Amino acid sequence: SYELTQPPSVSVSPGQTARITCSGDALPKQYAYWYQQKPGQAPVLVIYKDSERPSGIPERFSGSSSGTTVTLTISGVQAEDEADYYCQSADSSGTSPVVFGGGTKLTVL
Amino acid sequence: EVQLVESGGGLVQPGGSLRLSCAASGFTFSSYWMSWVRQAPGKGLEWVANIKQDGSEKYYVDSVKGRFTISRDNAKNSLYLQMNSLRAEDTAVYYCARQDDYGDYADYWGQGTLVTVSS
Repeated sequence: SYELTQPPSVSVSPGQTARITCSGDALPKQYAYWYQQKPGQAPVLVIYKDSERPSGIPERFSGSSSGTTVTLTISGVQAEDEADYYCQSADSSGTSPVVFGGGTKLTVL
Repeated sequence: EVQLVESGGGLVQPGGSLRLSCAASGFTFSSYWMSWVRQAPGKGLEWVANIKQDGSEKYYVDSVKGRFTISRDNAKNSLYLQMNSLRAEDTAVYYCARQDDYGDYADYWGQGTLVTVSS
């Protein structure tokens, strides 16, 4: 089955830039999406179609794509950004329209 | 304001059945794909199933095929998940999520309902 691979954890100090990667063979052909989930809360969409930001999401959140890797970048990280982040895409073979990465725990030191 | 409210979770024995419901409001329900996504305790997100606007297309993760059925009632602005032959590994918080026009991603999520499968 198709897999999206994320690092289990990323740590940064406040004000620094956090980069969370997501790798998958189909990413050159499929868009990627990113969700933020804080403890005890439902996920929130922060990036769609690789690099688009939904209304209400701070400008410090951005997304990019290069080959089989997509990256969520959080510039000027704030304490409130500490959360789990999940990438999501689709299996281009059509067997699974929605696939999530394993998630990355962002810790703000 | 978009609102998705799940209900129907609870404790069920292995092999049992449960039906989850999701009441939608604040948007034209019949215009969107809808999904169920689950999260086992301490684990990541797992997509379970989704359904097209008119119910004509449905997709499932392999682990629930033949056991779970997704459905919707556009007249009642409601999404459902019938879960049969439940297993311990189905224990999770189940989220209802609105997807975009093409079923590619989820832009709004409910708060979830907990399903516990245990004897």
